[in-house]
Amino acid sequence: GENVEQHPSTLSVQEGDSAVIKCTYSDSASNYFPWYKQELGKGPQLIIDIRSNVGEKKDQRIAVTLNKTAKHFSLHITETQPEDSAVYFCAAITYSGAGSYQLTFGKGTKLSVIP
Amino acid sequence: DGGITQSPKYLFRKEGQNVTLSCEQNLNHDAMYWYRQDPGQGLRLIYYSQIVNDFQKGDIAEGYSVSREKKESFPLTVTSAQKNPTAFYLCASSPLGQGILSGNTIYFGEGSWLTVV
Repeated sequence: GENVEQHPSTLSVQEGDSAVIKCTYSDSASNYFPWYKQELGKGPQLIIDIRSNVGEKKDQRIAVTLNKTAKHFSLHITETQPEDSAVYFCAAITYSGAGSYQLTFGKGTKLSVIP
Repeated sequence: DGGITQSPKYLFRKEGQNVTLSCEQNLNHDAMYWYRQDPGQGLRLIYYSQIVNDFQKGDIAEGYSVSREKKESFPLTVTSAQKNPTAFYLCASSPLGQGILSGNTIYFGEGSWLTVV
């Protein structure tokens, strides 16, 4: 089955700096990679995603890059703000084409933005 | 508004009791999931269901039970056999098929805190 490794487990940055979270996956058949943000005591929410036929995607201060050859993808947050402080999860989805899929999460990164 | 509703938000269980966590979705999603999250830990899959009246065990199903009598509902029972039930429980839902490959991906509820007293 798929295995997703996420690093680092904790990350502290100064407000205004950039933050980068990296994930690697093992199954080359994985073809969709969402990122989730979880604030304290709440459920994770999708913040950005990327499909396997795309190398990079941006949404304002957030970007995700995908390197299929190396089987890793990264979340980039620029100009960090205190409200970016949360736990971030990456995930890999392997769609079998038969209507079912496998969903595997990374273990999460706790991001702290220091004012 | 479409979404997933979990209840209760906070629940206290005495030793030896069974408790049931509710999860309802109005997103017309076929698949529903239950995850457990311990402090500072990732998400661990308890059970999932892709169709009414059918469900499969996840990675940590022991001590838990589920039912899927309606498409909208996927309640989780934490039984007395679960020796360490104190955790944050998340319910989620998603479409099946290629819908998962778009932004219409897995949605989570707000979670339920279960504490054993």
